[in-house]
Amino acid sequence: QSVLTQPPSASGTPGQRVTISCSGSSSNIEFNTVSWYQQLPGTAPKLLIYSNNQRPSGVPDRFSGSKSGTSASLAISGLQSEDEADYYCASWDGSLNGVFGGGTKLTVL
Amino acid sequence: EVQLLESGGGLVQPGGSLRLSCAASGFTFSSYALGWVRQAPGKGLEWVSSFSGNGGSTYYADSVKGRFTISRDNSKSTLYLQMNSLRAEDTAVYYCAKGLYASGSYTGFDPWGPGTLVTVSS
Repeated sequence: QSVLTQPPSASGTPGQRVTISCSGSSSNIEFNTVSWYQQLPGTAPKLLIYSNNQRPSGVPDRFSGSKSGTSASLAISGLQSEDEADYYCASWDGSLNGVFGGGTKLTVL
Repeated sequence: EVQLLESGGGLVQPGGSLRLSCAASGFTFSSYALGWVRQAPGKGLEWVSSFSGNGGSTYYADSVKGRFTISRDNSKSTLYLQMNSLRAEDTAVYYCAKGLYASGSYTGFDPWGPGTLVTVSS
């Protein structure tokens, strides 16, 4: 049982816009920033979004993040086949622990 | 180019010990937080431990507190994870990751190493 809650799966067709939600609480997301990671099969996770809505250099602007209260979202616009991967949200918790969501498997139909 | 490379994984019996290493290059090692994140086979990511940069603090997941110890040797640009009293549920790929800032109480990690597999089994 993960501290942050994500839907286990999401899907979309090429060109579509997809959003993935991440629900937390007042002890984590509400007062700490959220990061998002993409994990392609058999590879290490890659940072997509940090500090709620900032993109590292090299990450396409098709990826965007937002946060409101105790929840956060990752949006992917112009969906491409290479976006098929697992996506994880992460935040810091007041119990002095890092916390991850359970992950969302994105399928491009 | 920032690079991280883990080593030290392998098969260990329940109750045994193992020390993981993470050799880093391409950045001012002492100035950044570093962390360990693990992934059990077929499961999601689990934060394990972080060490702040600039001689800062250490943090541990409740599941490993008292059994695992994180340390860093800034002269060798190497991060370590000493794992004692290992259990079957510690079986996972262990990733080393560089923090975006010196603060260890933050989960922005970039980049990550390729990981090293730890298997706890008799």
